[in-house]
Amino acid sequence: DIQLTQSPSFLSASVGDRVTITCRASQGISSYLAWYQQKPGKAPKLLIYAASTLQSGVPSRFSGSGSGTEFTLTISSLQPEDFATYYCQQLNSYPPALTFGGGTKVEIK
Amino acid sequence: QVQLQESGPGLVKPSQTLSLTCTVSGGSISSGSYYWSWIRQPAGKGLEWIGRIYTSGSTNYNPSLKSRVTISVDTSKNQFSLKLSSVTAADTAVYYCARGDLVTMDLDYWGQGTLVTVSS
Repeated sequence: DIQLTQSPSFLSASVGDRVTITCRASQGISSYLAWYQQKPGKAPKLLIYAASTLQSGVPSRFSGSGSGTEFTLTISSLQPEDFATYYCQQLNSYPPALTFGGGTKVEIK
Repeated sequence: QVQLQESGPGLVKPSQTLSLTCTVSGGSISSGSYYWSWIRQPAGKGLEWIGRIYTSGSTNYNPSLKSRVTISVDTSKNQFSLKLSSVTAADTAVYYCARGDLVTMDLDYWGQGTLVTVSS
């Protein structure tokens, strides 16, 4: 099975900082890699799909890139509302199963 | 606007079966463009995918849960359901239902989640 490893698992940053989160796959995967944001007590929210496509309504300060085994989520200028936990997700081909990364918690410095 | 809402008992006894239903509104569950999924999250931990169902009734399950999970769909009620048998305290979690895109495979709409506690 393909494993997704996110780094860092915890990140302390200030408003206005540029933040990059990495998601590494244990083997090459398709570009059907998604990123989600989750705030405490809330359901995850889709930010990025197909590795780099911004979901409708998501601010343009969020961007995604990558292919193969390494993918990144970048927040160009961190805003107060961006402090949350972020997860990557992909679909294994066989057996067909969705997999989530372990999460990256972004906290205020 | 598509909305999903989980419903079911918040407390289940050990060894019993957890049963949850997800009601979809604002769109038809029969749309061939989507699949319907269950995900769970223990307190303070990450997301764990449980399984998914297509409108055809075909299913895929997390291999680690496969022996205990059944997901079904009722298109007449615009609902899909989760049954997890032989539960233990380790199954205590917030359970989410979500809609998945068949092309890009992401989960674009989620329910608010429902906490299920396994305890006697």
